[in-house]
Amino acid sequence: AQSVTQLDSQVPVFEEAPVELRCNYSSSVSVYLFWYVQYPNQGLQLLLKYLSGSTLVKGINGFEAEFNKSQTSFHLRKPSVHISDTAEYFCAVTVNTGNQFYFGTGTSLTVIP
Amino acid sequence: DTGVSQDPRHKITKRGQNVTFRCDPISEHNRLYWYRQTLGQGPEFLTYFQNEAQLEKSRLLSDRFSAERPKGSFSTLEIQRTEQGDSAMYLCASTTTYEQYFGPGTRLTVT
Repeated sequence: AQSVTQLDSQVPVFEEAPVELRCNYSSSVSVYLFWYVQYPNQGLQLLLKYLSGSTLVKGINGFEAEFNKSQTSFHLRKPSVHISDTAEYFCAVTVNTGNQFYFGTGTSLTVIP
Repeated sequence: DTGVSQDPRHKITKRGQNVTFRCDPISEHNRLYWYRQTLGQGPEFLTYFQNEAQLEKSRLLSDRFSAERPKGSFSTLEIQRTEQGDSAMYLCASTTTYEQYFGPGTRLTVT
């Protein structure tokens, strides 16, 4: 089975500062990785995904993530955050069957004016 | 494409009662998932359908939970003899590949 660990439950950051949200996974087989965002009182929305190819993937709203197989990580980054980025961020993993997805416990990003 | 819809959005029930939730996926999506999310946690996988076939079910899922997807269209999730520990947000997601589209969820409160 797969699992996901999000090491930081809360990340406060000042507006226009860079941010990194950490995600580590565990799996004995090849995985597909995802980041989802959940804004207050809204449903989950896909930010970006890694299925294959380039290990640096770009998503919506200026976010990007890098797949590091040797470190089993998929950290999410943004060079300059905005107030509107305040939300809960979830990392998720699945394998090629896509029969089950495993989500982390989430990281609450708060952007401070 | 009207998105994934779920009904009801909120449900309050007394302990011991049965409840049923409905999910209408995006029309061309053959894959459908149910999740449960509690405060401060990520979505927890419950079950997965490909078309009308239930291909995966969480080993942690109690026998009180059952799900169906007749004709591979909408899906229902039923919880029998509800317990206070069942209080949570129940999410539905659909896709044709791996990019899941989530519905707004049904918030269940068991009193």
